[in-house]
Amino acid sequence: EAQVTQNPRYLITVTGKKLTVTCSQNMNHEYMSWYRQDPGLGLRQIYYSMNVEVTDKGDVPEGYKVSRKEKRNFPLILESPSPNQTSLYFCASTSVKANTGELFFGEGSRLTVL
Amino acid sequence: KNQVEQSPQSLIILEGKNCTLQCNYTVSPFSNLRWYKQDTGRGPVSLTIMTFSENTKSNGRYTATLDADTKQSSLHITASQLSDSASYICVVSGGGGFKTIFGAGTRLFVKA
Repeated sequence: EAQVTQNPRYLITVTGKKLTVTCSQNMNHEYMSWYRQDPGLGLRQIYYSMNVEVTDKGDVPEGYKVSRKEKRNFPLILESPSPNQTSLYFCASTSVKANTGELFFGEGSRLTVL
Repeated sequence: KNQVEQSPQSLIILEGKNCTLQCNYTVSPFSNLRWYKQDTGRGPVSLTIMTFSENTKSNGRYTATLDADTKQSSLHITASQLSDSASYICVVSGGGGFKTIFGAGTRLFVKA
């Protein structure tokens, strides 16, 4: 089954404790992206990647890091989480070659930073 | 500035009724426009895609329209069902490169 898988789905952590949210897709998509969703603000892009070893900042990259060492994986790293990073996070992917623009989203990761 | 604005923010309708959600955008250059449905606690799922040359597209009870001249789109839901309760997000691709701009969404509540 074609899917985007995120882990963990739920996480409560404390300020300053490094964490990683993993994202994996099995559709051989070149493009992957991370978003955060906050009430009333909609989805905002954090980082995106056009292909392996190619990453770029989105609209709200501060406090986040990413890496794209393999095509299927795109982890989101919070080196020193702060309470303002409490949010619902989504990973998404799409095929650059197909060029349909349809994003396939994971089920979301709800992060709470105390 | 590339923007996507949706209205209303939220909407409550009775089961079986129709409704229309609006999306206005200022993205340029324009590539395509998609409507996504997001159930509570789930990731968004694509409902329809429309390119510059298309002005109507249907997916079951969902019909999207696009007016590229006025930069407006609408999503019409016919004979609503309780399962239509969700957020509906308008997403415009364009603005150069591979950029996608998201609207804040319309939260639809369908009541029995």
